[in-house]
Amino acid sequence: NAGVIQTPRHKVTGKGQEATLWCEPISGHSAVFWYRQTIVQGLEFLTYFRNQAPIDDSGMPKERFSAQMPNQSHSTLKIQSTQPQDSAVYLCASSLVGTGGEQYFGPGTRLTVL
Amino acid sequence: GDSVTQTEGLVTLTEGLPVMLNCTYQSTYSPFLFWYVQHLNEAPKLLLKSFTDNKRPEHQGFHATLHKSSSSFHLQKSSAQLSDSALYYCALSDRDYGSSGNKLIFGIGTLLSVKP
Repeated sequence: NAGVIQTPRHKVTGKGQEATLWCEPISGHSAVFWYRQTIVQGLEFLTYFRNQAPIDDSGMPKERFSAQMPNQSHSTLKIQSTQPQDSAVYLCASSLVGTGGEQYFGPGTRLTVL
Repeated sequence: GDSVTQTEGLVTLTEGLPVMLNCTYQSTYSPFLFWYVQHLNEAPKLLLKSFTDNKRPEHQGFHATLHKSSSSFHLQKSSAQLSDSALYYCALSDRDYGSSGNKLIFGIGTLLSVKP
C-alpha cells in the first residue's frame, strides 16, 4: 500500500498562471478530502468527495478554485489565475466512508506563486 | 459553526518533563475528537481519536480524555522525548454524517519542541 500519492510535490507558478494538483487516494477508500496548510491559518478544509460525488465544498474559494474526481483513483484541484496568497501546501487525504473515520494524508504539494 | 481552539502556538519542554497540550472545541453536535501529529517534512498522521464512551485512548505514551462538560480534549504524556518534537493538531469531525460527512475541522496547531 503506497499510501495517498500527490503530484507534483513542488510547483512554482507565476502570478496569473493555472496550477493543477493531483491526488491518488488509497485503494478502497471512497472519501477524498482536500486541505490547505499555511503557517498563519494552519490546516483548512477545502472540499470533500464521497464515492466520487462532491459532498461539501464549503472551504473552497468560490472563484478560481475547482476540484474534480473523475474516477475512484484520482482527484484534481485546479487553481486558475494563481495569486501569491494561494501559496501553501495542499494536502489530500482519503478515508473509508463513515463518520469519524481516520483520514490518511498524502505528502502534500507545495505551491509557490511568484 | 464548529471550531477548535489550541491556545499554545509553541510549547518548549526539557526531555523527561510532562507534556500537556490544550484543546477545546465548539460543536452543534457531539463530535469525534482527534489529535494528529506532523513531523517536519512529513504528512499529518493520526495520533489519537476519542471514543464514544469513557475510554481513554492511548498511543505512543500519549493519552487524551474527552470531557464533554468542558468541551475539552487535552493531550498528555508523562515524560517528553526528543522524538516528540513535532506539530500537533487537534481536530473534530461532526457525527452528522448526512450533512458534512467526516471532514476535519482543525485547530491552529501547537508546535512542541523538546530539548535535551
